[in-house]
Amino acid sequence: QQQVKQSPQSLIVQKGGIPIINCAYENTAFDYFPWYQQFPGKGPALLIAIRPDVSEKKEGRFTISFNKSAKQFSLHIMDSQPGDSATYFCAASKEDNFNKFYFGSGTKLNVKP
Amino acid sequence: DGGITQSPKYLFRKEGQNVTLSCEQNLNHDAMYWYRQDPGQGLRLIYYSQIVNDFQKGDIAEGYSVSREKKESFPLTVTSAQKNPTAFYLCASSKTGDPANYGYTFGSGTRLTVV
Repeated sequence: QQQVKQSPQSLIVQKGGIPIINCAYENTAFDYFPWYQQFPGKGPALLIAIRPDVSEKKEGRFTISFNKSAKQFSLHIMDSQPGDSATYFCAASKEDNFNKFYFGSGTKLNVKP
Repeated sequence: DGGITQSPKYLFRKEGQNVTLSCEQNLNHDAMYWYRQDPGQGLRLIYYSQIVNDFQKGDIAEGYSVSREKKESFPLTVTSAQKNPTAFYLCASSKTGDPANYGYTFGSGTRLTVV
C-alpha cells in the first residue's frame, strides 16, 4: 500500500505559469513533509519542507500548502522557468523515525520556454 | 567539496551474478541509506545504517546485502537472489536523527541493468 500518493505523474506548463503538484497521505502520525527535486541522471535534492503546525511555507518561488484535515499537501512553483524542469518527489515521515521516509511516485515537470 | 560519491554510474550484471555498488561520503554523517528508484514508483528503502557495524532492513531488503565497516562507506551488494534488479540505485546520508533540518544528501546514483 502506497503511503504517499502523488499526482499528476507529468505536467507541462508555459514559462511563467504556476505548476501545482499534489500529495495525499493516510498516516496521521506523519509530521514532516519534504519535497525533493531531481534532475536527469542526478540524485534528488531537498527543496523545501513543512511541518503540520503551519499551513503554508514559502522559499523563493516555491510554496508548500498544507491541509492537515484533508491529509494533503501541495507544491506550487511561482513564475516557473525552463530550469525548473525536473522530477519532483513529495515525502513524509514521523519525527521519531527519520530513518523511514515514504516517497510519492514523482511528477515530471516540463516548463516550456 | 563535501558530498556523496556513488560508483560506478552504470553497471551491467549477468544473470546469477552478484554485483556491489559503492557509496562513499565525506560529510561526516552518521546515517546512510540505500534506495531503489523504479519508473512510476518513487523511491523505496532497501537498507539503512545509523552507526558503524549496524544496519537495518528497509521495505525491500530481499536479495540485497550491505556492510558498514567504516563511517564513510556503505556498499550495497545486489545478489543473484534479487529477481528484478534492473533499476536506478540511490545512496543517501544524513546527520543521525535530524534529516528534518538537514535533509538527506543523495548521491548521483548507479543505474544497474541485467543483461
